[in-house]
Amino acid sequence: EVQLVESGGGLVQPGRSLKFSCAASGFTFSDYAMAWVRQAPKKGLEWVATIIYDGSSTYYRDSVKGRFTISRDNAKSTLYLQMDSLRSEDTATYYCARHNNNLDYWGQGVMVTVSS
Amino acid sequence: DIVMTQGALPNPVPSGESASITCQSSKSLLYSDGKTYLNWYLQRPGQSPQLLIYWMSTRASGVSDRFSGSGSGTDFTLKISRVEAEDVGVYYCQQFLEFPLTFGSGTKLEIK
Repeated sequence: EVQLVESGGGLVQPGRSLKFSCAASGFTFSDYAMAWVRQAPKKGLEWVATIIYDGSSTYYRDSVKGRFTISRDNAKSTLYLQMDSLRSEDTATYYCARHNNNLDYWGQGVMVTVSS
Repeated sequence: DIVMTQGALPNPVPSGESASITCQSSKSLLYSDGKTYLNWYLQRPGQSPQLLIYWMSTRASGVSDRFSGSGSGTDFTLKISRVEAEDVGVYYCQQFLEFPLTFGSGTKLEIK
């Protein structure tokens, strides 16, 4: 059974950093691209970033380029999102998802609140 | 960026009736491989999104055949036949043709 389990969210002040992770199981992690998608409170879904299967290429939405870094450790089957220079508009639930010409499996999400 | 525009439903929809959700893209999602890179997701209340349909009309594993996807290169429809209580939630279309991946704003389905 495919499982994606995020951890590491929380409350952080504007301008600070936060890093969280997504542990994958039930499939060969190193065969798949992975993505982060976020959802602000009471809002729709917004793609954030994607990393290809071996980590050699990454893609970001413009509003997070230069501030967020997606990475992966295939030996640990774990996906990461490092978020720097956080802004109030980054407040959202962040989901990791398997990127397979679609987003076919999603984690339960981790809440990030950026507030002073 | 490709803009995805979703239509609204005349909520609530009577149980057992059909519901159709429309989605329009600002650019054709038909790729040179013959596939149309349009996906549909359902987010039930309090849950993570789940994939329903990919490549415009292929149902994801385990998805009921009451869900069907159709369309052209820029205009798409998700049809839900015989709606049930478990279909309640917000439906999103998404283009997978190019980065940035973009979603529609969502269409809420309520059941009467």
